[in-house]
Amino acid sequence: EDQVTQSPEALRLQEGESSSLNCSYTVSGLRGLFWYRQDPGKGPEFLFTLYSAGEEKEKERLKATLTKKESFLHITAPKPEDSATYLCAVQGGSSASKIIFGSGTRLSIRP
Amino acid sequence: DVKVTQSSRYLVKRTGEKVFLECVQDMDHENMFWYRQDPGLGLRLIYFSYDVKMKEKGDIPEGYSVSREKKERFSLILESASTNQTSMYLCASSPRTSGRRGIQYFGAGTRLSVL
Repeated sequence: EDQVTQSPEALRLQEGESSSLNCSYTVSGLRGLFWYRQDPGKGPEFLFTLYSAGEEKEKERLKATLTKKESFLHITAPKPEDSATYLCAVQGGSSASKIIFGSGTRLSIRP
Repeated sequence: DVKVTQSSRYLVKRTGEKVFLECVQDMDHENMFWYRQDPGLGLRLIYFSYDVKMKEKGDIPEGYSVSREKKERFSLILESASTNQTSMYLCASSPRTSGRRGIQYFGAGTRLSVL
């Protein structure tokens, strides 16, 4: 069964304390892996797309990496404004038109 | 900037009512999606449409129907609302290009309460 699992469910960090969020997937024929950020009361906002193992993308304090089984979202020296829920999604598997979302990691950065 | 607009931010309906949720996008995207988001369950796909008048069932279509008469508008219909349909509903759109289908632009969501 096609599946996307994110860990941890919630993560609390001190401002400046770097860490990583994990997205593991079991999807055959991966066509793309996507990271989104969702603020409370809002819809998800697209961050990155990764298409093949070894690929990396960066944006400000965020860096996304991809292997054949998982993706990491590394956050370096986070600030309170980085607090949000981060969602991972994959395209591929039994239905190439389907996008499967993980349940997200709720990130909280304390000043 | 891409804009996806959902007609209501909050809705309160009674059990058995017919409910319409409207979504409009302004980027000429071919694909449009309806999801519901519940704590601990993530986003679950209800229906999606890849062209006018075309639709496909997602993971949880039961109790819902959709309509896409114009390219920019995608409506979600709850035929007879039930309390277990209380949720956050999110609409999204994306371009047709296969590898970019996962780059979805979301509306702000409609929080629906069914009493």
